[in-house]
Amino acid sequence: KQEVTQIPAALSVPEGENLVLNCSFTDSAIYNLQWFRQDPGKGLTSLLLIQSSQREQTSGRLNASLDKSSGRSTLYIAASQPGDSATYLCAVRDLYGNKLVFGAGTILRVKS
Amino acid sequence: EAQVTQNPRYLITVTGKKLTVTCSQNMNHEYMSWYRQDPGLGLRQIYYSMNVEVTDKGDVPEGYKVSRKEKRNFPLILESPSPNQTSLYFCASSSYGQNTEAFFGQGTRLTVV
Repeated sequence: KQEVTQIPAALSVPEGENLVLNCSFTDSAIYNLQWFRQDPGKGLTSLLLIQSSQREQTSGRLNASLDKSSGRSTLYIAASQPGDSATYLCAVRDLYGNKLVFGAGTILRVKS
Repeated sequence: EAQVTQNPRYLITVTGKKLTVTCSQNMNHEYMSWYRQDPGLGLRQIYYSMNVEVTDKGDVPEGYKVSRKEKRNFPLILESPSPNQTSLYFCASSSYGQNTEAFFGQGTRLTVV
């Protein structure tokens, strides 16, 4: 059974700092991996999707990497801003494409 | 605008009173699913549908029903809600292929008293 773990559970940083969020998964047989952002009481906003055959994806200040063989992904946020404060969720899709398995999330707070 | 729309956004109901949460997507996606989000447990899949008239159980299907009569709609039905179904519910849709993202609705916060 696929399990997804995100470390750290919470992170508080000063504005401007570069930071890394970690995601690990137990079964490397995945279809793709997606990073989401969730604001309190709100829905999930897709940030980046990495196909299983890819190593990384970039969007603006965000860069996500995938090492399928070791079961790890990282989300790098450059020059963090207070508006980046949110919960970040990592999810892997199984090979049949039926289900997204989510990590518990990392709660990020960027202080101004 | 591409979106997944859930209604209602907030609902308070009493134990045993049947309710339906609607979900609609405008992206012609084949795949739709329902998740619930609970503190400490994260997001868990309730039911999913690969296409019209094709549905299957996820990890926590007990107490829920779904139907997929049209491609765009995937309602979640609670025939006899109980307090343990108090949760934040999300509908999601996607197409097929490795490069397709999952899109989520804004969520429905359900309280069963």
